[in-house]
Amino acid sequence: EAGVTQFPSHSVIEKGQTVTLRCDPISGHDNLYWYRRVMGKEIKFLLHFVKESKQDESGMPNNRFLAERTGGTYSTLKVQPAELEDSGVYFCASSPDGNYGYTFGSGTRLTVV
Amino acid sequence: GQNIDQPTEMTATEGAIVQINCTYQTSGFNGLFWYQQHAGEAPTFLSYNVLDGLEEKGRFSSFLSRSKGYSYLLLKELQMKDSASYLCAVIRRQAGTALIFGKGTTLSVSS
Repeated sequence: EAGVTQFPSHSVIEKGQTVTLRCDPISGHDNLYWYRRVMGKEIKFLLHFVKESKQDESGMPNNRFLAERTGGTYSTLKVQPAELEDSGVYFCASSPDGNYGYTFGSGTRLTVV
Repeated sequence: GQNIDQPTEMTATEGAIVQINCTYQTSGFNGLFWYQQHAGEAPTFLSYNVLDGLEEKGRFSSFLSRSKGYSYLLLKELQMKDSASYLCAVIRRQAGTALIFGKGTTLSVSS
């Protein structure tokens, strides 16, 4: 079974630009999560999709971040416009039932310069 | 609020046993996870405890005391490949299925 795939693995953009991160969950996993780790801090929850619906977006830092999951398959996370403090590793995870043992992707390392 | 504490770094030698502690303070506790993360890779699931006691899985065991807000991950017969970051995370009933992570413990295993 293919794991959770994230693209790109690395992205370096200038402040003010737009970046879109993509996550392909494990096929059949209705639950999809985005997390972020900024340097020196813990991994923090951003939001949770159940199929195409946003179940919980309480962790989204501000309105420069937009997540979508059209069709309930892959998801995108857009940052527009990017700021320096957005730098970090963005992880996606999926699970079939949301209660046990997420599978994480390897993350996208975003650097805003 | 929530607070999860783990030691920042630990070192050990091959073949030894190491215990990584995690203490948490949170309302609505609904389970604790341990993940292993090698540098540049995805966190991978190790264990899940929701009831008090010890869960053993091969060389790895995880313990939970809900009354003390305390867990540990025990790694036996350490191997070089066990050098990684070990992440403690809790789930709260009020937070749905979102994980709340500690900062992680970097374990270095030397020969």
